[in-house]
Amino acid sequence: KQEVTQIPAALSVPEGENLVLNCSFTDSAIYNLQWFRQDPGKGLTSLLLIQSSQREQTSGRLNASLDKSSGRSTLYIAASQPGDSATYLCAVRRHNTGKLIFGQGTTLQVKP
Amino acid sequence: DTGVSQDPRHKITKRGQNVTFRCDPISEHNRLYWYRQTLGQGPEFLTYFQNEAQLEKSRLLSDRFSAERPKGSFSTLEIQRTEQGDSAMYLCASSSRRVDRGHFESSGNTIYFGEGSWLTVV
Repeated sequence: KQEVTQIPAALSVPEGENLVLNCSFTDSAIYNLQWFRQDPGKGLTSLLLIQSSQREQTSGRLNASLDKSSGRSTLYIAASQPGDSATYLCAVRRHNTGKLIFGQGTTLQVKP
Repeated sequence: DTGVSQDPRHKITKRGQNVTFRCDPISEHNRLYWYRQTLGQGPEFLTYFQNEAQLEKSRLLSDRFSAERPKGSFSTLEIQRTEQGDSAMYLCASSSRRVDRGHFESSGNTIYFGEGSWLTVV
């Protein structure tokens, strides 16, 4: 059974810091991994999707990496801003299924 | 394109009542998903459709829950005889199948979520 874990559960950093969020999964037979952002009381916004054959994806100040063999992904946020404050969720998908399995998320607070 | 739309955004109901949520996916997306999320947890998969066919259904979806997508466009999620444990945010999402080298990828693309429908059962 696939399990997804995100550490830490919460993180507080001063504005301008570079930071890394971690995601680990127990079954390496994934099709892709997706990172999402969720603001309080809102839905999920897709940030980056990495196919299982890829090692990383970049979008602006965000960079996501994937090491399928070790069951790990990281989301790197450069030069953090107060507007980055949110909960970040990673989710994995296996082949031939529409189901995403989510971690519990990391709640990030960036202080001005 | 206005993204995935969900209605109502908030619903308060008494225990034992039935509730129905509606989801309108992104127009060209043929896959539609329902998830449930409680406070402090990641979303949990409930079910998904490809066009009008319901292809997967979680064991979380008890007999009181039913989802439909009759014409392969919008979907409804109905909860009958609501219980306090049903209080959660119900998220709808959609995606499209990607054609790759002449073959359909079974489950390839980015999944886009709506803003969710909050249910409170009192």
